Order: sequence, then structure tokens, then C-alpha cells
Amino acid sequence: NAGVTQTPKFRILKIGQSMTLQCAQDMNHNYMYWYRQDPGMGLKLIYYSVGAGITDKGEVPNGYNVSRSTTEDFPLRLELAAPSQTSVYFCASSSRAGNTGELFFGEGSRLTVL
Amino acid sequence: AQSVAQPEDQVNVAEGNPLTVKCTYSVSGNPYLFWYVQYPNRGLQFLLKYITGDNLVKGSYGFEAEFNKSQTSFHLKKPSALVSDSALYFCAPHRNKLIFGAGTRLAVHP
Repeated sequence: NAGVTQTPKFRILKIGQSMTLQCAQDMNHNYMYWYRQDPGMGLKLIYYSVGAGITDKGEVPNGYNVSRSTTEDFPLRLELAAPSQTSVYFCASSSRAGNTGELFFGEGSRLTVL
Repeated sequence: AQSVAQPEDQVNVAEGNPLTVKCTYSVSGNPYLFWYVQYPNRGLQFLLKYITGDNLVKGSYGFEAEFNKSQTSFHLKKPSALVSDSALYFCAPHRNKLIFGAGTRLAVHP
């Protein structure tokens, strides 16, 4: 059982480039989330999904897009990368709404925009 | 505005001594409360949660947390610290969404 798998683990982008961070879970969880972690700032929610075909914005969605075509996959797309998007990105999933069920996190994707 | 505060950036404790990592929150209503732990270069892992009932909640790896409604606090505790407990700890109340604190780094020295 792999849990939540994120790829790539590390990536360097130039300003203005685009890329997709992949996230897949094999636990049949309905709820999936993307967070970014900046030093000393905790985690901020970017986007979340309550099921296939349904996505919604979190606290800091600007500059990002998501899709949820299957239960398993929840890719995060960065359009026109900016230095402010340098961060560590975490994907998470939950079997129930986050207020009662714990989140399972991937190991993170470290992105640097130069 | 909803917020959570972890007042200590770092907590240092000797192995075998008790530890406390503090958390206070400002969230309307009766939020659910979580603690997560992050080991180096890893994702966050669930430690414990408070939903309702007994104010002392027990979780993984011997950790427990004490909920105090009047002080809006949810401090993480362990009676006897281990070097392997050294990690980054996050408090996270939930009210419509999880709100993560900035984290407290726990350093347990041999």
C-alpha cells in the first residue's frame, strides 16, 4: 500500500515556465488537498477536492490550477511560474471530511523558481 | 479571523524528561483539534485529535494532549521524551478547514 505518492520530489523552474505536480493515492479516499509549506509559515491550503469532478479553492489558489478526473489522481498545475511559488508542496487525502478524519500526506515536492 | 498560535519556535528537552508543546487557538464555535508531526524530509503524520468528551486525548507514540476550553488551548504532552521524538510539530484546529500553526521544533537531547 503506497498511500499518497507525489512526483517529482525536486524541481527547478525558470520564471514563466509551467509544470504539473502529480499526486496519486491508492486508499480510495474521496477528499484530496494541496498545501504549500513555507518556512515559519505552517501549511496553506491551495486547492481541495471532495470527489472526482469537484474541486474548490483554498486560501492561496492564485497561480495554480487543479483537476480531478479520477478518485486516485489530483494534479496541481503551475502556470507562469514566479519566485513566490518557491515552496514545498504537499498533497494529502482523507476518507472523510477533514474535521473528523485525519489527513494522509505525501512526502512533498520541493520546487524552486529562479 | 481564525488563527492558531504555537508560541515557541523550538522546545529543548533532555531525554527521559517530560515535554510540552503549546498551542492556543482563536476559532469560532467548537472546533475539532489535531496534532501532526513532521520528520525531516517527510510529509506530516497524524498524531491525535480531539472531537468531544474527555479533555485528555491519547495518541500515537505515547503522546497525549490536553484540551482546555476556557483557555482555548490544546497543549501536546509526553511523560518521557525520546531522542526519536525530535521533529516539527503542528497544531491544527478545524472549523470548515484545517488551520495549521507555524510549527514548533522539538529537540530532544541525549
